[in-house]
Amino acid sequence: QVELVQSGAEVRKPGASVKVSCKASGYSFTNYYIHWVRQAPGQGLEWMGRINPGGTGIIYAHNFQGRVTLTRDTSTTTVYMELSSLRSEDTAVYYCAKDRNDFWSGSLYYFDYWGQGTLVTVSS
Amino acid sequence: QSALTQPASMSGSPGQSITISCTGTSSDIGGYNYVSWYQRHPGKGPKLIIYDVNNRPSGVSDRFSASKSGNTASLTISGLQAEDEADYYCSSYTHSRPLFGGGTKLTVL
Repeated sequence: QVELVQSGAEVRKPGASVKVSCKASGYSFTNYYIHWVRQAPGQGLEWMGRINPGGTGIIYAHNFQGRVTLTRDTSTTTVYMELSSLRSEDTAVYYCAKDRNDFWSGSLYYFDYWGQGTLVTVSS
Repeated sequence: QSALTQPASMSGSPGQSITISCTGTSSDIGGYNYVSWYQRHPGKGPKLIIYDVNNRPSGVSDRFSASKSGNTASLTISGLQAEDEADYYCSSYTHSRPLFGGGTKLTVL
């Protein structure tokens, strides 16, 4: 069965960076985009970007350009999200999510499987 | 661009039906038939329950239905059950990215 398992909670000071992992299993890893979505306390969901595990296609949301980096390791079927220059407003639960459409069908931004979420707390 | 607008909370009794609205603009909900809905229980990742405005993924109960009119999408849950108590989020495609609603907390009384 499809499963996305994320790394554990993190605490960082303002200005630091954090790297969250998302290990995928149960499907063809290189055929589907992986997206990252976050939810800050009391806020809605916010899309951060997507990566094509099978190639070079990476798109970042405008709000995170220059601060977020998505990478992948096909040997371990793991995707990573690194967020730098952290500020208190980045305190949130971060999710990875698998695209429902395969790469060739094109993404309509439907996410059919999600990780369990990783709480990142930014505090001095 | 602002998030889609949902009521912050709603409630209903077992067996009743409730409808959650999601209002956007002509640049998102009104401009595309790519609306989805997610259900999220505490401590878990969201679950896709509706895509393409009104299609249910395999395994999702037919008590969940959805529609769209103009710039507003709606999710209807019929025959409310205790297990339906969760947060619900709408989403729409817009300009090569998804836009989400702020979420609606559904309480089953």
